[in-house]
Amino acid sequence: NAGVTQTPKFQVLKTGQSMTLQCAQDMNHEYMSWYRQDPGMGLRLIHYSVGAGITDQGEVPNGYNVSRSTTEDFPLRLLSAAPSQTSVYFCASRPGQLDKAFFGQGTRLTVV
Amino acid sequence: DAKTTQPTSMDCAEGRAANLPCNHSTISGNEYVYWYRQIHSQGPQYIIHGLKNNETNEMASLIITEDRKSSTLILPHATLRDTAVYYCIAGNAGGTSYGKLTFGQGTILTVHP
Repeated sequence: NAGVTQTPKFQVLKTGQSMTLQCAQDMNHEYMSWYRQDPGMGLRLIHYSVGAGITDQGEVPNGYNVSRSTTEDFPLRLLSAAPSQTSVYFCASRPGQLDKAFFGQGTRLTVV
Repeated sequence: DAKTTQPTSMDCAEGRAANLPCNHSTISGNEYVYWYRQIHSQGPQYIIHGLKNNETNEMASLIITEDRKSSTLILPHATLRDTAVYYCIAGNAGGTSYGKLTFGQGTILTVHP
């Protein structure tokens, strides 16, 4: 049971490039979320999903797109990377609204 | 989600109990209190959650005051590996909350030898 798997673990992008951060879970969880964590800060919610085909914006959605075509996968797309998007990105999943969340180990993204 | 207030940092001696307070005075009746921790820069780890009764699991105990305006996370015998940032979250009121977790700044707990 792998839990929540994020790839890649590290990434360096040039300003203006696009990329997709991958998140997969093998626990059949309905709820999935993406957070970003800037140095010395708490986690901020970017986008979340309550099931396949259903997504919504969180606190800081600008510059990011998501889709949820399967229960297992919840990719995060950076449309045109900016230095302000340099951060650590965490994906999380949970079986239900009130259940504990499981987090991936993070993707450390640097935009130069 | 209700706003939570935690001390910025706390210290604890190894082997002693660590008591981490959290204030959530605006919590609504159906909002739970969750505790997560983050060691170094790893992904947050769930510790415990509760609604109004005190809860205990293999990691910690959660004490919620009767008026639910504050709570305390207790690590009964802190070890060096418990050094982490501890987040108290009040949320999941149902309806449009959709299970979102709102993280604040948390408390940096340092366990000393």
